[in-house]
Amino acid sequence: EAGVTQFPSHSVIEKGQTVTLRCDPISGHDNLYWYRRVMGKEIKFLLHFVKESKQDESGMPNNRFLAERTGGTYSTLKVQPAELEDSGVYFCASSRRGSGQGKSPLHFGNGTRLTVT
Amino acid sequence: GQSLEQPSEVTAVEGAIVQINCTYQTSGFYGLSWYQQHDGGAPTFLSYNALDGLEETGRFSSFLSRSDSYGYLLLQELQMKDSASYFCAGNNYGQNFVFGPGTRLSVLP
Repeated sequence: EAGVTQFPSHSVIEKGQTVTLRCDPISGHDNLYWYRRVMGKEIKFLLHFVKESKQDESGMPNNRFLAERTGGTYSTLKVQPAELEDSGVYFCASSRRGSGQGKSPLHFGNGTRLTVT
Repeated sequence: GQSLEQPSEVTAVEGAIVQINCTYQTSGFYGLSWYQQHDGGAPTFLSYNALDGLEETGRFSSFLSRSDSYGYLLLQELQMKDSASYFCAGNNYGQNFVFGPGTRLSVLP
């Protein structure tokens, strides 16, 4: 099966600009997650979709971040306006079942490396 | 909430055995997972422990002690390709995976 794909792989933007990241999960995976890794630190949770609904968005840092998953397929994460501290690698992951439903590992994409200058 | 702790770096030589520890504090706990990430790549799933004890998958084993809030990943017969970052991740039922800070493993020839 095709894995999780993310686009773009790299993005360099100036402070104040807008960037939209896209994630295509594995087909049939209802659960879609966004994570961020900043400066080699921990992989930090941003939010979780179940199909098209936001199950948990407690990790979203502020209202400059907007995630959508229209139709329950691919998802986008928009940062507007971008700030310097938003730089990092944004990972998308999908799973067939939720984190509490037994052994259902996360399948990660290769990430989008965002640099805000 | 959850927080997990891991050593930041571990170094070992080819053919050796290395253990990467993970301790956690959580108000509720369902299981502990381990992921491997090579530089520039995607984190990939290695193992999952929902119950106390040892899970073995080839050269990799993972252990969990819920009473001690402690787990570890054991890598045997180390190979150069095992050089990567290793993350433990905990999850509460119905909630999301929370990742530790990661341990960077360097395997020397």
